Amino acid sequence: EVQLLESGGSLVQPGGSLRLSCAASGFSFSTYAMTWVRQAPGKGLEWVSTISGSGGTTYYADSLEGRFTISRDNFKNTLSLQMNSLRVEDTAVYYCAKDLKSVGYPPYFDNWGQGTLVTVSS
Amino acid sequence: EIVLTQSPATLSLSPGERATLSCRASHGVSSSLAWYQQKPGQAPRLLIYDASNRATGIPARFSGFGSGTDFTLTISSLEPEDFAVYYCQQRSSWPPTFGPGTKVDFK
Repeated sequence: EVQLLESGGSLVQPGGSLRLSCAASGFSFSTYAMTWVRQAPGKGLEWVSTISGSGGTTYYADSLEGRFTISRDNFKNTLSLQMNSLRVEDTAVYYCAKDLKSVGYPPYFDNWGQGTLVTVSS
Repeated sequence: EIVLTQSPATLSLSPGERATLSCRASHGVSSSLAWYQQKPGQAPRLLIYDASNRATGIPARFSGFGSGTDFTLTISSLEPEDFAVYYCQQRSSWPPTFGPGTKVDFK
């Protein structure tokens, strides 16, 4: 059974930093691209960033303006999102999601974690 | 960026009724479109991918149709657990984008 478990969400002041993690199990982690998707309170889904299975290719939403960095550790089956210069508008539940297919981009998302809440407020 | 528009924003129906949800893309996406269901406090769940393929474990009452710019998700007979928000998502080009969602609620 595929399991994705996010952690690291918390309350942080504007301008601060936070690192999210997603522990994956139940599948061949290095075979699949992984993605962060966020959802602001009461709003829809927004794609944030995707990393290839090998970790060699990354994609980011333009709205992030270079503030976030996605990475993965295929030995520890862990996905991470380093978030710097956080803004109030980054407040959201952040989900990690697994690609449905092992080939082809961009991904569909067939398994999701339960999400971790990031609140940016003074 | 491909913009997805969903209609209606809200669909008020009763259990047993048929639900038809629409998703329109600003540019053609071929068949590279998925549908997700999200219930309050839960993560989204993949229902349909490549416009018409049901994901693993999805009941046959869910069906998808379309290609190019116009897509539909049909729920043939609503069950109580189907009342939720539904999102479409395209993977034809970067960035992958989601529609704003259609809420299916009780009439």
